[in-house]
Amino acid sequence: QVHLQESGPGLVKPSETLSLTCTVSGASMISFYWSWIRQPPGKGLEWIGGIHDSGSTNYNPSLKSRVTISVDTSRNQISLKVRSVTAADSAVYYCATVPGGPYWGQGTLVTVSS
Amino acid sequence: DIQMTQSPSSLSASVWDRVTITCRASQDISNYLAWFQQKPGKAPKSLIYAASTLQSGVPSKFSGSGSGTDFTLTISSLQPEDFATYYCQQYNSYPYTFGQGTKLEIK
Repeated sequence: QVHLQESGPGLVKPSETLSLTCTVSGASMISFYWSWIRQPPGKGLEWIGGIHDSGSTNYNPSLKSRVTISVDTSRNQISLKVRSVTAADSAVYYCATVPGGPYWGQGTLVTVSS
Repeated sequence: DIQMTQSPSSLSASVWDRVTITCRASQDISNYLAWFQQKPGKAPKSLIYAASTLQSGVPSKFSGSGSGTDFTLTISSLQPEDFATYYCQQYNSYPYTFGQGTKLEIK
């Protein structure tokens, strides 16, 4: 049974750094490409970026200068950092084996507010 | 960035109907297209990748077709659990981009 679980603070202050972790169980990290995707309340899906098991990354240019994605295969974790957040970064954040794979985490809501 | 445009944005249908949702890419993406289903308050579910390949466990009532710039998702014999929002996503080139979504509602 494959399970993805996002974790991290639900509230982040403006200008600070949003940090999330996705912990994977039941699947090999080397089997998939891992993406972070977010969804503002009531809106559509936005691909933030992704990472191969090798550690090579790809980012959405709309966020690229503020985002870092990393992988720790020894811990079966993928991490996301978004720097200098604003209210526009408030969203449900998902990790997923997208594209190509079937697995999604349940998502975690992050609100940016003072 | 490649723009993905879904039509219609919303759709009303009845149980047992067959519906088709269209996704158009702003440039050729070959068959690098995925479809997702999302129910309120839940994470999306992967349905199809490579335009027409069903993810494991997805019922055959779902089918995808197309290549290049024009793609369709067809759902046959609609059941109450199929009423949801559907998204397409291209993964031909970075950044991967989603369509705006199609909300399928019960008539």
